[in-house]
Amino acid sequence: EPEVTQTPSHQVTQMGQEVILRCVPISNHLYFYWYRQILGQKVEFLVSFYNNEISEKSEIFDDQFSVERPDGSNFTLKIRSTKLEDSAMYFCASSEGTQEYEQYFGPGTRLTVT
Amino acid sequence: KNQVEQSPQSLIILEGKNCTLQCNYTVSPFSNLRWYKQDTGRGPVSLTIMTFSENTKSNGRYTATLDADTKQSSLHITASQLSDSASYICVVSAKTNAGNNRKLIWGLGTSLAVNP
Repeated sequence: EPEVTQTPSHQVTQMGQEVILRCVPISNHLYFYWYRQILGQKVEFLVSFYNNEISEKSEIFDDQFSVERPDGSNFTLKIRSTKLEDSAMYFCASSEGTQEYEQYFGPGTRLTVT
Repeated sequence: KNQVEQSPQSLIILEGKNCTLQCNYTVSPFSNLRWYKQDTGRGPVSLTIMTFSENTKSNGRYTATLDADTKQSSLHITASQLSDSASYICVVSAKTNAGNNRKLIWGLGTSLAVNP
């Protein structure tokens, strides 16, 4: 069964550094998402991406963040100048469509900023 | 303000028993309601998606109900198994102003532990 994959599973970085989190969505899906979940808190929407551009983003997704689909398979989240409070699980998801279509989540990348 | 509240926060049951988890929401305009299962350290996995017109939906031992008038949903788990131990998250999809886009409003989840 096709699944969303994410790398790395765990990333440790120093405050102020840049990180790139990588995702490979399910191949025939057209919509891609990034979420984050701080330990013990709710999952939070960051951004959705369709047709090579951002379709929606949350208040969290400021200039520190960017997304890219550099080729036909990868979907990346770049976090510049990381802060301690960026430590969280970051989940990538993909879906065939919006509305009632199911979103399939990857296993997540645990980002630890020290 | 769009919010999703779940109860109880945590629940412990014995293997083989049934349980019901609750979700109340104040989300408008409503698009659909989803229940996800999230194992510790893993991504959420969809259990059910229900639209406004659906009152109940089953997926194996999981049965979700939706009352759009009272803005309440429940997830009933029948004959629980040890592998049901996880966080169960209620997520309500809200229509946005941006065309066909939807915004997912997440609950905090109910942490379920099934003991032998």
